[in-house]
Amino acid sequence: GAGVSQSPRYKVAKRGQDVALRCDPISGHVSLFWYQQALGQGPEFLTYFQNEAQLDKSGLPSDRFFAERPEGSVSTLKIQRTQQEDSAVYLCASSMSQVSYNEQFFGPGTRLTVL
Amino acid sequence: DQQVKQNSPSLSVQEGRISILNCDYTNSMFDYFLWYKKYPAEGPTFLISISSIKDKNEDGRFTVFLNKSAKHLSLHIVPSQPGDSAVYFCAASEDDYKLSFGAGTTVTVRA
Repeated sequence: GAGVSQSPRYKVAKRGQDVALRCDPISGHVSLFWYQQALGQGPEFLTYFQNEAQLDKSGLPSDRFFAERPEGSVSTLKIQRTQQEDSAVYLCASSMSQVSYNEQFFGPGTRLTVL
Repeated sequence: DQQVKQNSPSLSVQEGRISILNCDYTNSMFDYFLWYKKYPAEGPTFLISISSIKDKNEDGRFTVFLNKSAKHLSLHIVPSQPGDSAVYFCAASEDDYKLSFGAGTTVTVRA
């Protein structure tokens, strides 16, 4: 496929459970972003990778959130000991370059519901 | 704190008429502004952008206006079409990559 894909599309977790969300960016895209979108709100920046380097993780809400991109392509966002306030849509975006933010291509998101 | 605000959660417009979406921001360091469109169950897609050195950018039916002194931008869609029914997000950036989004405006185009 040509676009950004994310899996799973939907995830239901019990409070306290760990979850892992996967993002497959567009092939060859250098930059990768994670956003969190709460209900009725716009996406909020979580973290940014350039290749395998995590250059900005200032948006991660707590140390329960961890993201990695070990080989500079697929990325995983992990949330440990999930809480109800973690319920949101998690969006991944990729970009061919760092500078051209209008080239951020978004995936469909993973909707996480924590019970 | 919300640095980008879209104060109208929804907008209903008749097909063929103009849609005007508004966005206000508080961070004077923002130097690039974008509009994204989102359909249900899909990710946002880029629509149009404007640099802070300009006050207008046009692309087909879509025009974005920037008023830096008022920290305000708007998106005009003319004429509105049924396929324009979607959620529109205003976004801004100050550091080349990190986007700050507004809460979105849901546009409904009536036939």
